[in-house]
Amino acid sequence: EVQLVESGGGLVKPGGSLRLSCAASGFTFSSYSMNWVRQAPGKGLEWVSSISSSSSYIYYADSVKGRFTISRDNAKNSLYLQMNSLRAEDTAVYYCARGPLAPSPFDYWGQGTLVTVSS
Amino acid sequence: EIVMTQSPATLSVSPGERATLSCRASQSVSSNLAWYQQKPGQAPRLLIYGASTRATGIPARFSGSGSGTEFTLTISSLQSEDFAVYYCQQYNNWPPVYTFGQGTKLEIK
Repeated sequence: EVQLVESGGGLVKPGGSLRLSCAASGFTFSSYSMNWVRQAPGKGLEWVSSISSSSSYIYYADSVKGRFTISRDNAKNSLYLQMNSLRAEDTAVYYCARGPLAPSPFDYWGQGTLVTVSS
Repeated sequence: EIVMTQSPATLSVSPGERATLSCRASQSVSSNLAWYQQKPGQAPRLLIYGASTRATGIPARFSGSGSGTEFTLTISSLQSEDFAVYYCQQYNNWPPVYTFGQGTKLEIK
C-alpha cells in the first residue's frame, strides 16, 4: 500500500524557516517524481514544487521561487521542503504527492502538515 | 500561466441524480486534465486523468470528457459519499507548472 506521511509543520514567525519531510513507503520511491502542493485555510489547491526521480529536474511555483528548496533522499525514501523567509501567505496545509512522470497528475497524496506563519 | 476556471462554484443535487461539473482552461491543455475529489479534513484523491480515464478503484459512475479547453466531470447517480469539493488540474506544461481550478463544492439538495 502506498503511504506518504508528512511531518515538520508548526507555528513559525514571519521571516522564519521550517523544513517539511515526507516519508514514503509501499512503492519504489526512486522511480517517481514527487511534488509539494499546499492549501491555505478554506482555499483551493496550489502546486508548490516538483522534483524528478533522480533530482535532476526541479521546478517551483513563482510564489515560492528563491525561498523554498525541494530535495529528496532516495536511500531514505524521503522528500523534503526547506522553507525560508516565510510569509503569512505561506500559511497552509502542505501535502506531498506522487507523480509518476512529470508532467503528470498526482496519483497518491499524504494527509498533509499544517504550517502557520504568524507573529 | 494557464488559468483553470470551474463552474459552478457550488452545485446542489439530490442523491440518485446526475451531477455535471465543468472546467475551462485559458488555453489548450490537450487531454492533460485531471479531476480530484476532496472531502473535509482529507487529502485530495485522484478520480480521472487524461481527461477521461478513471484512476484505480474509482467507481464507474464517475466519468470525464472533453479536450482542448472544455472539460466535464459527470457523476451519474450521486451517492452520499460523493458530496465533496472537486478540483480540476492541468498538467500540460513543460517545464511543468501545474494549475488547479478553484473547485466546485457538490452539496446535498
